[in-house]
Amino acid sequence: DTEVTQTPKHLVMGMTNKKSLKCEQHMGHRAMYWYKQKAKKPPELMFVYSYEKLSINESVPSRFSPECPNSSLLNLHLHALQPEDSALYLCASSSPTAGTEAFFGQGTRLTVV
Amino acid sequence: AQRVTQPEKLLSVFKGAPVELKCNYSYSGSPELFWYVQYSRQRLQLLLRHISRESIKGFTADLNKGETSFHLKKPFAQEEDSAMYYCALQGAQKLVFGQGTRLTINP
Repeated sequence: DTEVTQTPKHLVMGMTNKKSLKCEQHMGHRAMYWYKQKAKKPPELMFVYSYEKLSINESVPSRFSPECPNSSLLNLHLHALQPEDSALYLCASSSPTAGTEAFFGQGTRLTVV
Repeated sequence: AQRVTQPEKLLSVFKGAPVELKCNYSYSGSPELFWYVQYSRQRLQLLLRHISRESIKGFTADLNKGETSFHLKKPFAQEEDSAMYYCALQGAQKLVFGQGTRLTINP
């Protein structure tokens, strides 16, 4: 299984809602990532988990809260988002070794209304 | 800090013509460089990486540390090469992408 699976594929939420994005991989990768991608822009790194510990937070607002419950799962909890947070959220995983391929999920298309 | 620059947002060539997508980087350490590709309606996927020095789908890329470049080349473009191409640099656990180049191959 060489896939990274993200659910849901699409999500519409109000500014007062709480929701979660989920990401799963069974490749034994111990590094997992969240990226945000706006239309016609490159993916922007948000968070990096290495061996289930948060190792990088790219100054992301606290309304985004990542969680890595085990080596196969990565969640992104969302609360009190703004319309400008609407974007494609991508999850990726890789071996923590430098120079190895990152595998990306299809993404969750998030719309904040 | 890590930085990747792709100067061309759009590149259009005819089928059979050579293709070169430019990438320059800035990084104080020893970089790991990649090209990722996104075909229409597909997920982002690795095309090639500098450490493997291989040719994938006819594409090659050479790391030039003196010029801090990692340009992607293909001698004869094919219509199925039309896609979004991202140059990426991995350093200190971060994988950072350039702005991307949309390549269109005209028949």
